[in-house]
Amino acid sequence: QQQVKQSPQSLIVQKGGISIINCAYENTAFDYFPWYQQFPGKGPALLIAIRPDVSEKKEGRFTISFNKSAKQFSLHIMDSQPGDSATYFCAARNSGGGADGLTFGKGTHLIIQP
Amino acid sequence: DAGVTQSPTHLIKTRGQQVTLRCSPKSGHDTVSWYQQALGQGPQFIFQYYEEEERQRGNFPDRFSGHQFPNYSSELNVNALLLGDSALYLCASSLSSLLRNEKLFFGSGTQLSVL
Repeated sequence: QQQVKQSPQSLIVQKGGISIINCAYENTAFDYFPWYQQFPGKGPALLIAIRPDVSEKKEGRFTISFNKSAKQFSLHIMDSQPGDSATYFCAARNSGGGADGLTFGKGTHLIIQP
Repeated sequence: DAGVTQSPTHLIKTRGQQVTLRCSPKSGHDTVSWYQQALGQGPQFIFQYYEEEERQRGNFPDRFSGHQFPNYSSELNVNALLLGDSALYLCASSLSSLLRNEKLFFGSGTQLSVL
Protein backbone atom coordinates (compact mmCIF):
# COMPACT_ATOMS: atom_id res chain seq x y z
CA GLN A 1 0.00 0.00 0.00
CA GLN A 2 1.54 3.23 -1.18
CA GLN A 3 1.00 5.74 1.60
CA VAL A 4 2.34 8.79 -0.25
CA LYS A 5 1.34 9.32 -3.89
CA GLN A 6 3.37 11.81 -5.92
CA SER A 7 2.62 13.39 -9.28
CA PRO A 8 3.62 14.03 -11.95
CA GLN A 9 6.27 11.40 -12.59
CA SER A 10 8.14 13.83 -14.83
CA LEU A 11 7.86 17.55 -15.51
CA ILE A 12 9.39 19.94 -18.03
CA VAL A 13 9.29 23.67 -17.25
CA GLN A 14 10.74 26.64 -19.07
CA LYS A 15 13.37 28.73 -17.32
CA GLY A 16 11.70 31.38 -15.18
CA GLY A 17 8.47 29.43 -14.91
CA ILE A 18 6.79 27.85 -11.89
CA SER A 19 7.30 24.15 -11.18
CA ILE A 20 4.53 22.45 -9.21
CA ILE A 21 4.74 18.94 -7.75
CA ASN A 22 1.88 17.39 -5.84
CA CYS A 23 1.61 14.72 -3.15
CA ALA A 24 -1.29 13.04 -1.42
CA TYR A 25 -1.15 10.94 1.71
CA GLU A 26 -3.46 8.44 3.36
CA ASN A 27 -2.24 8.11 6.93
CA THR A 28 -3.82 10.88 9.03
CA ALA A 29 -1.19 10.25 11.74
CA PHE A 30 1.50 11.79 9.53
CA ASP A 31 2.64 15.05 11.10
CA TYR A 32 5.86 16.00 9.30
CA PHE A 33 6.14 16.56 5.54
CA PRO A 34 9.56 17.23 4.02
CA TRP A 35 10.63 17.63 0.40
CA TYR A 36 13.96 16.28 -0.77
CA GLN A 37 16.01 17.11 -3.85
CA GLN A 38 18.27 14.48 -5.40
CA PHE A 39 20.88 14.94 -8.12
CA PRO A 40 22.28 11.97 -10.08
CA GLY A 41 24.89 10.07 -8.07
CA LYS A 42 24.01 11.88 -4.86
CA GLY A 43 21.82 11.19 -1.86
CA PRO A 44 18.63 13.17 -1.23
CA ALA A 45 19.06 16.59 0.38
CA LEU A 46 16.41 18.25 2.54
CA LEU A 47 14.89 21.20 0.71
CA ILE A 48 12.02 22.39 2.88
CA ALA A 49 9.58 20.86 5.35
CA ILE A 50 6.22 21.66 6.92
CA ARG A 51 4.06 20.56 9.84
CA PRO A 52 0.27 20.42 9.51
CA ASP A 53 -0.35 23.33 11.87
CA VAL A 54 0.44 25.77 9.03
CA SER A 55 -0.95 25.92 5.49
CA GLU A 56 2.09 27.36 3.75
CA LYS A 57 5.83 27.68 4.25
CA LYS A 58 8.19 29.64 2.05
CA GLU A 59 11.98 29.51 1.87
CA GLY A 60 13.46 31.56 -0.94
CA ARG A 61 12.05 30.33 -4.25
CA PHE A 62 10.57 27.19 -2.67
CA THR A 63 7.08 27.08 -1.14
CA ILE A 64 5.12 24.20 0.39
CA SER A 65 1.34 24.46 0.34
CA PHE A 66 -0.47 22.13 2.73
CA ASN A 67 -4.16 21.15 2.73
CA LYS A 68 -4.90 19.05 5.80
CA SER A 69 -8.54 18.35 4.99
CA ALA A 70 -7.67 17.09 1.50
CA LYS A 71 -4.57 15.29 2.78
CA GLN A 72 -2.50 16.91 0.08
CA PHE A 73 0.63 19.02 -0.08
CA SER A 74 2.60 20.51 -2.92
CA LEU A 75 5.97 22.04 -3.74
CA HIS A 76 6.14 25.21 -5.80
CA ILE A 77 9.45 26.33 -7.29
CA MET A 78 9.26 29.93 -8.43
CA ASP A 79 11.50 31.36 -11.15
CA SER A 80 12.72 27.85 -11.98
CA GLN A 81 16.36 27.64 -13.08
CA PRO A 82 18.31 24.99 -15.03
CA GLY A 83 20.18 24.21 -11.78
CA ASP A 84 16.87 23.09 -10.28
CA SER A 85 16.81 20.15 -12.70
CA ALA A 86 16.77 17.12 -10.38
CA THR A 87 14.50 14.48 -8.92
CA TYR A 88 12.21 15.70 -6.15
CA PHE A 89 10.70 13.48 -3.48
CA CYS A 90 7.94 14.29 -1.05
CA ALA A 91 7.90 12.37 2.19
CA ALA A 92 5.88 12.02 5.37
CA ARG A 93 6.39 10.73 8.87
CA ASN A 94 4.32 9.85 11.92
CA SER A 95 6.35 11.25 14.79
CA GLY A 96 4.30 9.53 17.46
CA GLY A 97 4.87 6.05 18.85
CA GLY A 98 8.59 6.11 18.25
CA ALA A 99 8.15 6.06 14.48
CA ASP A 100 11.05 7.86 12.87
CA GLY A 101 11.25 6.39 9.38
CA LEU A 102 10.19 8.57 6.47
CA THR A 103 7.72 7.32 3.86
CA PHE A 104 8.73 8.67 0.46
CA GLY A 105 6.79 9.25 -2.75
CA LYS A 106 8.11 7.75 -5.99
CA GLY A 107 9.69 11.01 -7.12
CA THR A 108 9.30 13.60 -9.85
CA HIS A 109 11.99 14.07 -12.47
CA LEU A 110 12.10 17.82 -13.13
CA ILE A 111 13.78 19.31 -16.19
CA ILE A 112 14.13 23.08 -16.52
CA GLN A 113 14.70 24.07 -20.14
CA PRO A 114 16.90 27.14 -20.73
CA ASP B 1 32.95 19.40 8.35
CA ALA B 2 32.58 16.00 6.73
CA GLY B 3 29.10 14.98 5.81
CA VAL B 4 27.76 11.44 5.80
CA THR B 5 30.26 9.09 4.18
CA GLN B 6 29.45 5.63 2.84
CA SER B 7 31.65 2.84 1.56
CA PRO B 8 32.05 1.27 -0.84
CA THR B 9 30.45 3.41 -3.55
CA HIS B 10 29.76 0.44 -5.81
CA LEU B 11 29.58 -3.29 -5.17
CA ILE B 12 28.83 -6.34 -7.29
CA LYS B 13 27.75 -9.57 -5.64
CA THR B 14 26.28 -12.92 -6.66
CA ARG B 15 22.96 -14.35 -5.51
CA GLY B 16 23.25 -16.07 -2.14
CA GLN B 17 26.26 -14.09 -1.03
CA GLN B 18 26.44 -11.77 1.95
CA VAL B 19 27.35 -8.07 1.88
CA THR B 20 28.35 -5.42 4.44
CA LEU B 21 27.93 -1.72 3.79
CA ARG B 22 29.44 0.98 5.98
CA CYS B 23 28.42 4.45 7.05
CA SER B 24 30.03 7.26 9.04
CA PRO B 25 27.53 9.85 10.23
CA LYS B 26 27.91 13.59 9.96
CA SER B 27 30.11 15.00 12.71
CA GLY B 28 28.09 15.45 15.90
CA HIS B 29 25.25 13.16 14.85
CA ASP B 30 24.36 10.12 16.94
CA THR B 31 21.53 8.45 15.02
CA VAL B 32 21.86 6.48 11.78
CA SER B 33 19.07 5.33 9.48
CA TRP B 34 19.34 3.08 6.42
CA TYR B 35 17.19 3.30 3.31
CA GLN B 36 16.94 1.21 0.13
CA GLN B 37 16.29 3.06 -3.12
CA ALA B 38 15.38 0.89 -6.11
CA LEU B 39 15.85 2.34 -9.59
CA GLY B 40 13.21 4.96 -10.33
CA GLN B 41 11.69 4.72 -6.85
CA GLY B 42 11.78 6.71 -3.64
CA PRO B 43 13.89 5.53 -0.70
CA GLN B 44 12.36 2.90 1.57
CA PHE B 45 13.13 2.88 5.29
CA ILE B 46 15.03 -0.21 6.46
CA PHE B 47 15.89 0.57 10.09
CA GLN B 48 17.32 3.13 12.48
CA TYR B 49 20.09 2.81 15.06
CA TYR B 50 20.57 4.88 18.19
CA GLU B 51 22.80 4.13 21.19
CA GLU B 52 23.99 0.99 19.40
CA GLU B 53 20.51 -0.51 19.27
CA GLU B 54 17.93 -0.91 16.51
CA ARG B 55 15.20 1.52 17.45
CA GLN B 56 12.76 1.09 14.59
CA ARG B 57 12.44 -1.18 11.58
CA GLY B 58 10.63 -0.90 8.28
CA ASN B 59 9.09 -3.72 6.27
CA PHE B 60 12.28 -5.63 5.50
CA PRO B 61 13.07 -9.30 6.21
CA ASP B 62 15.53 -10.51 8.82
CA ARG B 63 18.13 -10.99 6.08
CA PHE B 64 18.73 -7.29 6.61
CA SER B 65 20.57 -6.57 9.84
CA GLY B 66 22.68 -3.78 11.18
CA HIS B 67 25.02 -2.58 13.83
CA GLN B 68 26.05 0.72 15.35
CA PHE B 69 29.43 1.21 16.96
CA PRO B 70 30.37 3.40 19.95
CA ASN B 71 31.68 6.07 17.56
CA TYR B 72 28.15 6.17 16.00
CA SER B 73 29.27 4.65 12.69
CA SER B 74 27.08 1.89 11.36
CA GLU B 75 27.02 -1.20 9.16
CA LEU B 76 24.24 -2.71 7.11
CA ASN B 77 24.47 -6.45 6.48
CA VAL B 78 22.40 -8.33 3.93
CA ASN B 79 22.50 -12.14 3.89
CA ALA B 80 21.44 -14.58 1.17
CA LEU B 81 21.34 -11.87 -1.50
CA LEU B 82 18.51 -11.91 -4.03
CA LEU B 83 18.40 -10.27 -7.44
CA GLY B 84 15.76 -7.92 -6.02
CA ASP B 85 18.24 -6.57 -3.47
CA SER B 86 19.96 -4.65 -6.27
CA ALA B 87 19.51 -1.00 -5.32
CA LEU B 88 21.14 2.14 -3.99
CA TYR B 89 21.56 1.84 -0.23
CA LEU B 90 21.46 5.18 1.53
CA CYS B 91 22.63 6.03 5.00
CA ALA B 92 21.18 9.06 6.76
CA SER B 93 22.31 10.61 10.02
CA SER B 94 20.58 12.89 12.47
CA LEU B 95 20.89 14.29 15.96
CA SER B 96 18.59 12.72 18.51
CA SER B 97 18.34 15.82 20.67
CA LEU B 98 16.61 17.70 17.86
CA LEU B 99 12.86 17.35 17.58
CA ARG B 100 12.23 13.77 16.54
CA ASN B 101 15.44 13.62 14.48
CA GLU B 102 13.71 15.66 11.81
CA LYS B 103 16.70 16.83 9.81
CA LEU B 104 18.15 13.85 8.01
CA PHE B 105 21.45 14.19 6.16
CA PHE B 106 21.96 11.53 3.50
CA GLY B 107 25.17 10.10 2.14
CA SER B 108 25.68 9.47 -1.58
CA GLY B 109 24.92 5.80 -1.13
CA THR B 110 26.32 2.41 -2.08
CA GLN B 111 25.14 1.03 -5.42
CA LEU B 112 24.71 -2.73 -4.96
CA SER B 113 24.28 -4.97 -7.98
CA VAL B 114 23.34 -8.62 -7.43
CA LEU B 115 24.01 -10.92 -10.40
